[in-house]
Amino acid sequence: ETGVTQTPRHLVMGMTNKKSLKCEQHLGHNAMYWYKQSAKKPLELMFVYNFKEQTENNSVPSRFSPECPNSSHLFLHLHTLQPEDSALYLCASSQESRDRYTEAFFGQGTRLTVV
Amino acid sequence: GNSVTQMEGPVTLSEEAFLTINCTYTATGYPSLFWYVQYPGEGLQLLLKATKADDKGSNKGFEATYRKETTSFHLEKGSVQVSDSAVYFCALDSNYQLIWGAGTKLIIKP
Repeated sequence: ETGVTQTPRHLVMGMTNKKSLKCEQHLGHNAMYWYKQSAKKPLELMFVYNFKEQTENNSVPSRFSPECPNSSHLFLHLHTLQPEDSALYLCASSQESRDRYTEAFFGQGTRLTVV
Repeated sequence: GNSVTQMEGPVTLSEEAFLTINCTYTATGYPSLFWYVQYPGEGLQLLLKATKADDKGSNKGFEATYRKETTSFHLEKGSVQVSDSAVYFCALDSNYQLIWGAGTKLIIKP
């Protein structure tokens, strides 16, 4: 148990569906992240929220829409996805400071399959 | 830009063998370096880290030394176990975010 919980663990959705992934952290961290993990590719950082403000959006298609209502919760809203969006989506949190990057804690991920 | 290169896997070893997984990096300044591990069906966990040159990170029998002269952070373990089977990721911090290697899958056979 890392203190970061993701739901659901598995999700199958059609290309016309709308679904949301949820992430919750119980560590008191001030930064949260969404990553995409595809087979044989490096982890792709999708979004970063620091103090609830989105500070990074790495050219992610608009069919992925993040939401961070507070420092403990992070959502990824999905709509009209493509089969190539099938992947493991990982949420992480960390305590950011001006001095240094600190350890990231990851959830177990949501295995998404788009059919 | 900053980048991390890991040896391609899978790496297959017998139990009690010596393990080395190579990691080299390109970076400006002096980033912190990390090894994360992902066991089957789970998210990533920090395995060890080093924050400055010549630092040695260690945990669970794994070690890695921050080598600035060779820009490397190779992961080693003297005697691997079946339970070490996982995917290992090398990473560096860049502007408060992690730059990741592609991961190396390790398979340990009894």
